[in-house]
Amino acid sequence: KNEVEQSPQNLTAQEGEFITINCSYSVGISALHWLQQHPGGGIVSLFMLSSGKKKHGRLIATINIQEKHSSLHITASHPRDSAVYICAVKNSGGSNYKLTFGKGTLLTVNP
Amino acid sequence: NAGVTQTPKFRILKIGQSMTLQCTQDMNHNYMYWYRQDPGMGLKLIYYSVGAGITDKGEVPNGYNVSRSTTEDFPLRLELAAPSQTSVYFCASWRGTSGANTQYFGPGTRLTVL
Repeated sequence: KNEVEQSPQNLTAQEGEFITINCSYSVGISALHWLQQHPGGGIVSLFMLSSGKKKHGRLIATINIQEKHSSLHITASHPRDSAVYICAVKNSGGSNYKLTFGKGTLLTVNP
Repeated sequence: NAGVTQTPKFRILKIGQSMTLQCTQDMNHNYMYWYRQDPGMGLKLIYYSVGAGITDKGEVPNGYNVSRSTTEDFPLRLELAAPSQTSVYFCASWRGTSGANTQYFGPGTRLTVL
């Protein structure tokens, strides 16, 4: 079983819809990252969270440490939000400079 | 800053050939990483380095080698290419201090082994 599980695997939305992508993990963590990968493109970091909530533009990330769960929300989605969204965790024990990645959620936003 | 750069962007190899994937960062980061990304799978760590002269294996090191002679460069070597090494390879770096939020990723190298 992967230590980091994302749902859904694929998500199709209409422009303007509110999007939620979920991430669950099974280990103790010191931080959780949300990353974005555009088709054929590189990977950029959106957020790093260790507690609570962060907001950047139309993107909101939340984390519940007790429930080992994080969500990434996109408000007023736009076709340019179409990408793979990846959740990754930094374990609190052992080597805390390594990340464990989820398989990603492919988001397609149609105009 | 150019950030993390990788060369080449694309490469086709024949089985048994060897090659080096180059990775350079200009942010003076201590930590550098090599990942591979296979379709439908999460990024897997191949090798990492915590500083010049120090490297260590990740989850999937077999068939690869690395070196870290300088802070800036972290090349990945494939000695005897196999079809199982067909993948997209990403290099990343991290400053390594507690206030440093994120890993910075290179644009990737798409490798096909035929």
